[in-house]
Order: sequence, then structure tokens, then C-alpha cells
Amino acid sequence: SQQGEEDPQALSIQEGENATMNCSYKTSINNLQWYRQNSGRGLVHLILIRSNEREKHSGRLRVTLDTSKKSSSLLITASRAADTASYFCATGWDSGNTPLVFGKGTRLSVIA
Amino acid sequence: NAGVTQTPKFQVLKTGQSMTLQCAQDMNHEYMSWYRQDPGMGLRLIHYSVGAGITDQGEVPNGYNVSRSTTEDFPLRLLSAAPSQTSVYFCASSITRQTGNTIYFGEGSWLTVV
Repeated sequence: SQQGEEDPQALSIQEGENATMNCSYKTSINNLQWYRQNSGRGLVHLILIRSNEREKHSGRLRVTLDTSKKSSSLLITASRAADTASYFCATGWDSGNTPLVFGKGTRLSVIA
Repeated sequence: NAGVTQTPKFQVLKTGQSMTLQCAQDMNHEYMSWYRQDPGMGLRLIHYSVGAGITDQGEVPNGYNVSRSTTEDFPLRLLSAAPSQTSVYFCASSITRQTGNTIYFGEGSWLTVV
């Protein structure tokens, strides 16, 4: 399976601190996406990074991808209480008929 | 533009009952899918469709049926509910099956089978 595995499973930080979550996967990928899920809600797309990219930014989000290590990281800078949510990575491989595969998520708690 | 709409939000079923979770999207997306989310298991793909009239099985298809008669609708049927199907179900869509596309999720359906 090319399922991503997020690490840590849970993370608790103070407001204003940076939060880093990692995603490791097993097989080659074309792209990797990060999603956010607030409690009791559906997932919302945050950012996509393609296999030929090493880093992308979107607002307070920074995503890196290291294909040699088969890993990605999501950094949220200057975290806010509203960032409290679960974060999932999803890996994609467009050869054949393989749908996007989601990891189990990191639960982030930002304490005000 | 409502996005992906799922109904019902909450449902309690007795073992052996059948029901249909409804899903509709108004974005003219080709690709639609159903996931279930269980504690510690993440999201697992049940069934998906790459267009009207075409469906395929995902990781955990047993006990579920789907059909795609229109581009907009992708209902998920539980034929004979079992307690193991207690879960949160999410319908999702994207413009095509290419994995580089953004996936849009519904708000979820909480199902309890007693």
C-alpha cells in the first residue's frame, strides 16, 4: 500500500508556536496533498505538492517533499487556536487506476 | 454552489436493516467516492466512480453497493447493516480521477448500527 503515515499521531502546542507534522509513504508518488479536518466536519484541501517540487508555501503553511526519503512535512507557523484540527496527507499515483490514499492523520491541539 | 451534499447527517439502524446514504454534487465533477472513517483507521475508500454508469470497488467494499446513474448523484447502499458498519461516512468528488485534483468532501454521515 502507498498509504501515507502521519507522525506524530497527536501534537499539543501553545498558541504562537510552530507545528510540524510529518508524512511518510512507501511507494513512488506523483503528488502529495494535505487536508485538514475540523472536529465533526469533512476534510478540506490545504495544499498539493508534486513529485518534482521540493517546497511550497500557502499563507502560514509550508510543505516540503523529499522523494528520496519518501516523506513530506507540513509546517504551520504562528499557530492559532483555530488551527486545532486533524491533518491528513494523501498520496497519489496516476499510473493505472489507483485512487488517492489517505493516511491516519495527526491531531493538532493549539492551546490559547 | 452547495458543493457536496450528504444526507442524512445522523442515522441509527438495527442490525439487518438496509438504508441508503445520499450524496449529490453540483460542480459537474466526473469523479465521486465514498469513504468511511473509524478511530485510528483514517479514511478508507469504499467505492468510487469515474463517471456516470461506471463504478469500482475501493479498499473496503463488502456490505456496500453503489450506482451512478447521473453525474450529480452517487448513493451508497447498505444492504443488511451490521454493527461493524458503525462509522462516519464521507462522500467526496473531484473534477476527474487524476490524483492531482483537489477532492471536495461532504460534511459526513454518522451511522450507528445497533
